[in-house]
Amino acid sequence: GDSVTQMEGPVTLSEEAFLTINCTYTATGYPSLFWYVQYPGEGLQLLLKATKADDKGSNKGFEATYRKETTSFHLEKGSVQVSDSAVYFCALGSSASKIIFGSGTRLSIRP
Amino acid sequence: DSGVTQTPKHLITATGQRVTLRCSPRSGDLSVYWYQQSLDQGLQFLIQYYNGEERAKGNILERFSAQQFPDLHSELNLSSLELGDSALYFCASSVAGVYGTDTQYFGPGTRLTVL
Repeated sequence: GDSVTQMEGPVTLSEEAFLTINCTYTATGYPSLFWYVQYPGEGLQLLLKATKADDKGSNKGFEATYRKETTSFHLEKGSVQVSDSAVYFCALGSSASKIIFGSGTRLSIRP
Repeated sequence: DSGVTQTPKHLITATGQRVTLRCSPRSGDLSVYWYQQSLDQGLQFLIQYYNGEERAKGNILERFSAQQFPDLHSELNLSSLELGDSALYFCASSVAGVYGTDTQYFGPGTRLTVL
């Protein structure tokens, strides 16, 4: 069945460091891919999405490119801030299947 | 603020009891989704309603049920509660019912503690 695998956390970085959170997926068909973020004490918020191969989603300095050949949707940011500390979820969805979330990656940024 | 509201924010109850969680979707959204988030199981999809009808079902226990009313708000009923039901329960909404491809907007959650 469809699945999402993302790198385990926690990930701890210093402010202004480069961030990569890996996400790979297994799916039949052509799923949409999402990154959601959960700040402490809050619900999930959509960070970015991509609906087809080679699409790049971007928001708030974060980017992810839908790579069909490597079945990946890695999240990147060039310079992280303390305010980016949160849990990040990679997710997969298609009209033929349920939306599936990865296990989440906790990110902590040191000032 | 996503525009999705959930009540109550916190709920503490005893094993064997029954509780009802309430969700109001964003204005204009027809679909409501329920999720359970626990430390050991992660984020699990429970059920989706679209315009009053059940659209998709996930890992929802038989002790749990949900419905969506004509005004589009939804309720999740949890009965015969067990300690393992303690979790954060999220509601999300989306404009249409194309589950998996719609952007979902999440509420702040209801934290359920079963003692």
